[in-house]
Amino acid sequence: EVQLVESGGGLVQPGQSLRLSCTASGFMFGDHDLSWVRQAPGKGPEWVSFIRRKAYGGTTEYAASVRGRFTMSRDDSKSIAYLQMNSLKTEDTAVYYCAKRWGGFGPLFDYWGQGALVSVSS
Amino acid sequence: DIVMTQSPLSLSVTPGQPASISCKSSQSLLHRDGKTYLYWYLQKPGHSPQLLIYEASSRFSGVPDRFSGSGSGTDFTLKISRVEAEDAGVYYCVQGIQLPWTFGPGTKVDI
Repeated sequence: EVQLVESGGGLVQPGQSLRLSCTASGFMFGDHDLSWVRQAPGKGPEWVSFIRRKAYGGTTEYAASVRGRFTMSRDDSKSIAYLQMNSLKTEDTAVYYCAKRWGGFGPLFDYWGQGALVSVSS
Repeated sequence: DIVMTQSPLSLSVTPGQPASISCKSSQSLLHRDGKTYLYWYLQKPGHSPQLLIYEASSRFSGVPDRFSGSGSGTDFTLKISRVEAEDAGVYYCVQGIQLPWTFGPGTKVDI
């Protein structure tokens, strides 16, 4: 059974940092691209970041709103993806989902985690 | 960025009746490879989004055949032939032709 479990969320003050983890099981982690998608309270989803599998360079892409502050990485030996979030802003408050890309092109996510809540407030 | 719009933003449907949701993109989602990169997700209350339709009209594995997607270019439609109680939630279209991938505002469906 495929599972994605996010952890590391919490309450922080503006300007602080947080690192989210996405621990995967039930599939060949290294063979898949992964993304982080967030959802602010009462809002729709917003794509945050994407990391390609190593066979495609392991490169990353980011939404403009987080570029330069957030860094996505992966450890295929542990089947974990990370999202390092620095210089957090109040507008980063959201549930952060890790999502596995089924394949192909675009946001074709077949599995999502249950989400990790990040609250940024003074 | 490509802007996605949806209509209606809310919909109340009687079980067994059909439902239709429209999604429009500010740019064509037709790629030079001939595929159209438009996806539909359903987010049930308290759950993560789940994929229904990919590439505008392909039903994802396990999705009931009462769900269908159609459209091309910039205009798309999700149809539910006969709504069931379990179809309640918020439906989102999202484009995948260029980064950043952008979602529509969502259509809340009450049964």
